[in-house]
Amino acid sequence: GAGVSQSPSNKVTEKGKDVELRCDPISGHTALYWYRQSLGQGLEFLIYFQGNSAPDKSGLPSDRFSAERTGGSVSTLTIQRTQQEDSAVYLCASSLALAVSDTQYFGPGTRLTVL
Amino acid sequence: AQRVTQPEKLLSVFKGAPVELKCNYSYSGSPELFWYVQYSRQRLQLLLRHISRESIKGFTADLNKGETSFHLKKPFAQEEDSAMYYCALFGVGGNKLVFGAGTILRVKS
Repeated sequence: GAGVSQSPSNKVTEKGKDVELRCDPISGHTALYWYRQSLGQGLEFLIYFQGNSAPDKSGLPSDRFSAERTGGSVSTLTIQRTQQEDSAVYLCASSLALAVSDTQYFGPGTRLTVL
Repeated sequence: AQRVTQPEKLLSVFKGAPVELKCNYSYSGSPELFWYVQYSRQRLQLLLRHISRESIKGFTADLNKGETSFHLKKPFAQEEDSAMYYCALFGVGGNKLVFGAGTILRVKS
């Protein structure tokens, strides 16, 4: 079956603009995660969903970042008023459930460049 | 605090040589540790997890609680092992993976 997909694969935007990044998890996976991979910070966790619920949003870097998930499937990560430090590869992962034994499968990522 | 440290940014070895990618962690509870790998132009994928005690592609990793380490080892490196390797800890209270900075492994012929 299809793996985790993300769109767009690349996004170039101007500072101050809003962007939306999309993640389609593996069908049937109830848990979904967003990570950010940047040169200075490595791989950092942003947020996770169990179903449509995100119990802990403390990993989001600032209040310009928000995420939602609908229908227990597709998730969108929105960055408002983008800044140059937001430039990174945004990775989405999904797993069958939240148990540690459930492997997280990663998408190919969205490379965001803020000019 | 939960933290994963990979002290080497780059490890370069010759084909057929042994490989050891170092990983140390700090965690107050009973850790669940993983190694993830990202080959060139491919997505991040799970290599192995300590609870499975498995060997994948000839790689093994043993959890040493006394030294708080989870080093990845392979007795004979192959060119196709060249990739970025991340050690990760499954964090409590966030159901998240906490990653180390990663080590690039280059296997030279």
